[in-house]
Amino acid sequence: EVQLVESGGGLVQPGRSLRLSCAASGFTFDDYAMHWVRQAPGKGLEWVSGISWNSGSIGYADSVKGRFTISRDNAKNSLYLQMNSLRAEDTALYYCAKDIQGHLTTVTTFCYWGQGTLVTVSS
Amino acid sequence: QSALTQPASVSGSPGQSITISCTGTSSDVGGYNYVSWYQQHPGKAPKLMIYEVSNRPSGVSNRFSGSKSGNTASLTISGLQAEDEADYYCSSYTSSSTPLYVFGTGTKVTVL
Repeated sequence: EVQLVESGGGLVQPGRSLRLSCAASGFTFDDYAMHWVRQAPGKGLEWVSGISWNSGSIGYADSVKGRFTISRDNAKNSLYLQMNSLRAEDTALYYCAKDIQGHLTTVTTFCYWGQGTLVTVSS
Repeated sequence: QSALTQPASVSGSPGQSITISCTGTSSDVGGYNYVSWYQQHPGKAPKLMIYEVSNRPSGVSNRFSGSKSGNTASLTISGLQAEDEADYYCSSYTSSSTPLYVFGTGTKVTVL
């Protein structure tokens, strides 16, 4: 059974940093691309960032480019999101999602999702 | 890149069929046969319902079907049931610029 468990969320002041983690199990982690998708309270889904199976291809939404860094450790079956210079508009539930294949391509589909970790940016 | 356009809400009675539209451009929905649909119940994580326009993952009811015409994709739920009441989002790759992937605005399905 595929399991994705996010952690690392919390309350943080504007301008500070936070690192999210996603522990994966139930599948061969290093075969698949992975993504972070967020959902602001009461709002829709927004793709934040994605990383290919071997970290060779990485993408970011314009809203986080230059502030967030995605990474993965295939030996630890883990996905990360380093979030710097946080803003109030980054407040959201952050989901880790497994891709249907290993690359960031047109085929990308978010086939499994974790339960999310809540990030609140407020002074 | 703007979100794909979906109706805010759609409703139907048990047993009826409803259709949710997802309108984009030739840079996303219209340009690729890789539209997917997600169901999200309140307080829960999204669940993949349809991928590559019309394919159902294992375990998803055949009451859910997808199609596409031009720049608009559609999700049809037939034989509507109370458990289908949820939010639904479409998604597509986009070649217009970053982000690489864009979601729809979301549709609240209400079973009357």
